[in-house]
Amino acid sequence: DTGVSQDPRHKITKRGQNVTFRCDPISEHNRLYWYRQTLGQGPEFLTYFQNEAQLEKSRLLSDRFSAERPKGSFSTLEIQRTEQGDSAMYLCASSLALGAVDTQYFGPGTRLTVL
Amino acid sequence: AQKVTQAQTEISVVEKEDVTLDCVYETRDTTYYLFWYKQPPSGELVFLIRRNSFDEQNEISGRYSWNFQKSTSSFNFTITASQVVDSAVYFCALRTSEYGNKLVFGAGTILRVKS
Repeated sequence: DTGVSQDPRHKITKRGQNVTFRCDPISEHNRLYWYRQTLGQGPEFLTYFQNEAQLEKSRLLSDRFSAERPKGSFSTLEIQRTEQGDSAMYLCASSLALGAVDTQYFGPGTRLTVL
Repeated sequence: AQKVTQAQTEISVVEKEDVTLDCVYETRDTTYYLFWYKQPPSGELVFLIRRNSFDEQNEISGRYSWNFQKSTSSFNFTITASQVVDSAVYFCALRTSEYGNKLVFGAGTILRVKS
């Protein structure tokens, strides 16, 4: 059983550059979530998709952030004009929503460092 | 508002000691779900348990046990006979119907098990 995968695992970029991360969910999972985790803190919700529809976005997701899940499978998270404050671990999770609650399974994360 | 507090920032124990990680939550919802995740040094969050607000039965899984008490809004996690491999950051998380499908995480507790 293949888990959630994320690419790249690490990204170092200069301030002002654009970056894009990819997440491949567990096969047949219909929900996909993005979280951000800074050092010493728990993950914070950014956005989630049900199939290809983006159903919720956190106010943490500024207009420099955009996420897509074009065919309801993999997802991308793009950050434009990166700032040093964007340095964090970006975590992706997927779930199979069948009833009242789903359990989210997380990937290994992409660690972003903005210089 | 919903909130999760993990008051213990870091705990150090010697192998074979029992250790309890505390989790206190806040929510006005009567229907909610509580989770525990483990984050080893590799960074991937590993799902441990999910409990709904209507089920206050304690649960045991091998060396792990969970004590859910609605009266004190707590969902504590005990590791019996700790092992070095248990060293990780442990997160408690809350999901409520009011706030949709997102998980709200505590700040985490770093557990160090020394041999």
